[in-house]
Amino acid sequence: DTGVSQDPRHKITKRGQNVTFRCDPISEHNRLYWYRQTLGQGPEFLTYFQNEAQLEKSRLLSDRFSAERPKGSFSTLEIQRTEQGDSAMYLCASSVGNNEQFFGPGTRLTVL
Amino acid sequence: AQTVTQSQPEMSVQEAETVTLSCTYDTSESDYYLFWYKQPPSRQMILVIRQEAYKQQNATENRFSVNFQKAAKSFSLKISDSQLGDAAMYFCAYRSVYGGATNKLIFGTGTLLAVQP
Repeated sequence: DTGVSQDPRHKITKRGQNVTFRCDPISEHNRLYWYRQTLGQGPEFLTYFQNEAQLEKSRLLSDRFSAERPKGSFSTLEIQRTEQGDSAMYLCASSVGNNEQFFGPGTRLTVL
Repeated sequence: AQTVTQSQPEMSVQEAETVTLSCTYDTSESDYYLFWYKQPPSRQMILVIRQEAYKQQNATENRFSVNFQKAAKSFSLKISDSQLGDAAMYFCAYRSVYGGATNKLIFGTGTLLAVQP
C-alpha cells in the first residue's frame, strides 16, 4: 500500500459545472477526512467519515457540496454548480481511529 | 472554538543552522494534541512531530524538537542542523481529545521555510 491517493490531481472547470473528486484511503483505515486549502491558508476541515457514516460536516460545506463513502472504502466529494470561490486544493486524509492522519496529494480545483 | 496562529509567514535559515518556528493557540480544553506538519512544494503533507498536552516533556524526533509552554499556549518547532530538504511550508495544528469530537485538525496559516545553501 502506497498511501492515500486522490484523483484527479488537477481539475479545471467552468463556473456552473459539476465536479467530483475521489479519495482512496490507506487500506483498513476506518476514518476519512476532507479538508480544503486555499492559497496562503492552512487546510480547513470539511467533513469526516467513520466507516461509511458521515459524522460531521463543517459549515463550510454548503448545500452544493456532497460527500459519500460507500461501503466504508473510497470516498467521493462532489461540488455542484461550481463557483470561482470553490477554487482550492481539496485534501483527503485517513486514519485508524484517533491515530495519525495520513494525507493524500490533493486535488487542485480551478474554476474559470 | 479553538484557534491556531502562526505569526511568521516566511522564515529563512542557512544550511546546518538552527531555526525556530512559532505557533500559539487558544483553547479552553485541558487536554489536546498539537502537531507540526510539513508540506513540501507539490507534495503531500506529512507529520513531523506531535505533542500530547498532558505530557510535560517536550517531544523530539531526530533533528526536530518542540518547546511546549502550556500556560502560555505556545508550541514552537526547532529544526537543528537544517538541510535543503527541510524547505517546505510548515503548519501547526491542534486536535481535541474529548469524546464525541471528530479529532479533526485545526491548522494555522503556515510558515514557509527557505533553506539557503
